[in-house]
Amino acid sequence: QKEVEQDPGPLSVPEGAIVSLNCTYSNSAFQYFMWYRQYSRKGPELLMYTYSSGNKEDGRFTAQVDKSSKYISLFIRDSQPSDSATYLCAMGYGNNRLAFGKGNQVVVIP
Amino acid sequence: DADVTQTPRNRITKTGKRIMLECSQTKGHDRMYWYRQDPGLGLRLIYYSFDVKDINKGEISDGYSVSRQAQAKFSLSLESAIPNQTALYFCATSDLPSSSNTGELFFGEGSRLTVL
Repeated sequence: QKEVEQDPGPLSVPEGAIVSLNCTYSNSAFQYFMWYRQYSRKGPELLMYTYSSGNKEDGRFTAQVDKSSKYISLFIRDSQPSDSATYLCAMGYGNNRLAFGKGNQVVVIP
Repeated sequence: DADVTQTPRNRITKTGKRIMLECSQTKGHDRMYWYRQDPGLGLRLIYYSFDVKDINKGEISDGYSVSRQAQAKFSLSLESAIPNQTALYFCATSDLPSSSNTGELFFGEGSRLTVL
């Protein structure tokens, strides 16, 4: 079993819809959790970072962590065509390197 | 100028050729990484270096080698390229995670390599 599981299936939604993305993980040592956004032909960039269970909001984006279930989510409200990108979850602990999910390609249709 | 610069951005080569991908950074970070990205497989770590004298294998190091020439420079070599090394390669840097630092990765824009 990989440390981080993210169903890589593409997701198409109409503009204004809520996008929901999920990752599960097996390593209970993970302490911090990230979501990266990658536009086509670009490198990934950090979108959200959280250290604890619960919700963290940043504008239209909400990152949710449930450490008891080893499950993290990213929600995008009022999705826009500019949100079309690949979203990768990542997590780590201590000084160790990050473990990445496979990424979800999201297409927001105007 | 970009904080993490990769050269070349695109390269087409033939099987058996030696290829070097170069990465330089102006972030002042000690940690540097090389990843490859393939559709449906996500980012996979090839090699990483936590300082100039430190080199570590990642998940898929076979067929690759690296050199950390300076704090700011980390190059990836394919000694004898093969078609299944066709992929998008990313260099990344990070600082040491701490109470004031997320340890996030800063990526370059990628080097697309095609091996015929």
